[in-house]
Amino acid sequence: GQQLNQSPQSMFIQEGEDVSMNCTSSSIFNTWLWYKQDPGEGPVLLIALYKAGELTSNGRLTAQFGITRKDSFLNISASIPSDVGIYFCAGAPVPDDKIIFGKGTRLHILP
Amino acid sequence: DGGITQSPKYLFRKEGQNVTLSCEQNLNHDAMYWYRQDPGQGLRLIYYSQIVNDFQKGDIAEGYSVSREKKESFPLTVTSAQKNPTAFYLCASSSGGGPYEQYFGPGTRLTVT
Repeated sequence: GQQLNQSPQSMFIQEGEDVSMNCTSSSIFNTWLWYKQDPGEGPVLLIALYKAGELTSNGRLTAQFGITRKDSFLNISASIPSDVGIYFCAGAPVPDDKIIFGKGTRLHILP
Repeated sequence: DGGITQSPKYLFRKEGQNVTLSCEQNLNHDAMYWYRQDPGQGLRLIYYSQIVNDFQKGDIAEGYSVSREKKESFPLTVTSAQKNPTAFYLCASSSGGGPYEQYFGPGTRLTVT
């Protein structure tokens, strides 16, 4: 089946650093979603993207829908301790009626 | 407050027993979904329902069953036929008309011994 390649698998950064992660697909998507999951909890929707080239911000988070419609990027600026968690990308491939998830990027912040 | 509730948070069962996980939403969403999450893995779709009294198999439906008798409720039964049932189970809902912007419940961690 369809797969999303999410990278990096994990990141270790210092507090205050900026973070970048991305998701790629071999096929065209018509929606990209970014979620954050804290341990033992359900994922929380951060940003939804619906249009190629779209750039959307949510506080210190910025996500982009790639112009080729096969990728998406999430940036976190000036990381803080509560940013720790797993970030998942998800996408809706054309013409499917369900979304698929990447395997996640686990963000660690070093003291 | 609108949202999705899953109960219980932790569930323990003996091998060979069926178990039903609850999912309720008061968001007035048409579509509901069940996912399974294993350590280090993404979310895998078990079943989904886009409308009451209708549901479709996802990628890993074997050993699971669902019902959708009410718009607000989408219970998942993990049967004894599921070979590796220990996992974190997540329920989600969306407004329908597509898979967009799914909202998740807090999850149920099922342990089968």
